[in-house]
Amino acid sequence: GQSLEQPSEVTAVEGAIVQINCTYQTSGFYGLSWYQQHDGGAPTFLSYNALDGLEETGRFSSFLSRSDSYGYLLLQELQMKDSASYFCAVTGGGNKLTFGTGTQLKVEL
Amino acid sequence: GAVVSQHPSWVICKSGTSVKIECRSLDFQATTMFWYRQFPKQSLMLMATSNEGSKATYEQGVEKDKFLINHASLTLSTLTVTSAHPEDSSFYICSARDQGFVAGKQSSYNEQFFGPGTRLTVL
Repeated sequence: GQSLEQPSEVTAVEGAIVQINCTYQTSGFYGLSWYQQHDGGAPTFLSYNALDGLEETGRFSSFLSRSDSYGYLLLQELQMKDSASYFCAVTGGGNKLTFGTGTQLKVEL
Repeated sequence: GAVVSQHPSWVICKSGTSVKIECRSLDFQATTMFWYRQFPKQSLMLMATSNEGSKATYEQGVEKDKFLINHASLTLSTLTVTSAHPEDSSFYICSARDQGFVAGKQSSYNEQFFGPGTRLTVL
């Protein structure tokens, strides 16, 4: 079966750095993506890792270790608007996305 | 660049009726679209893959006769929830990907573009 585990909730203060972990167990793996979703909205793409290592896009970075079936999303200089749910997702066969359990990030003053 | 729309954005219907949800790629052609369902505070669950010009492929546990999918053109896929019941109330989201160019740039293999979602409430 497919499973992607994330912490259910993370709380951090504005300006801080937070890391959201994702461990996965899937059949078929092309890469790991991260999506942000605000309440009532659609998921928006943040980053993608196909190979091991760190990808940096502005305040967001994503890391992948294929040998460990593990990845994380790193958010720096947290802002209030970053409060949202974050999902990791594995791209498998047929370009299907299997989403993780989701992490609700709360940014406090 | 790459915009996917859904219509309607929300719908309330009586139990037993059918509801059609449209998913359109506005500035690119989508040979493949995906339909997801999301219950409150839960993750997105893939329901089916919609393929232009051929039958949709459904994920295990999704009733194909209840969730009818039609992908009649390269820019439109529809999901019809037949004989809806209160347990079908959910947030339905579509996504699309393109194997070619999106808004003038080579589309990323990994990126799917999501519609804004349709909130279905069945009374």
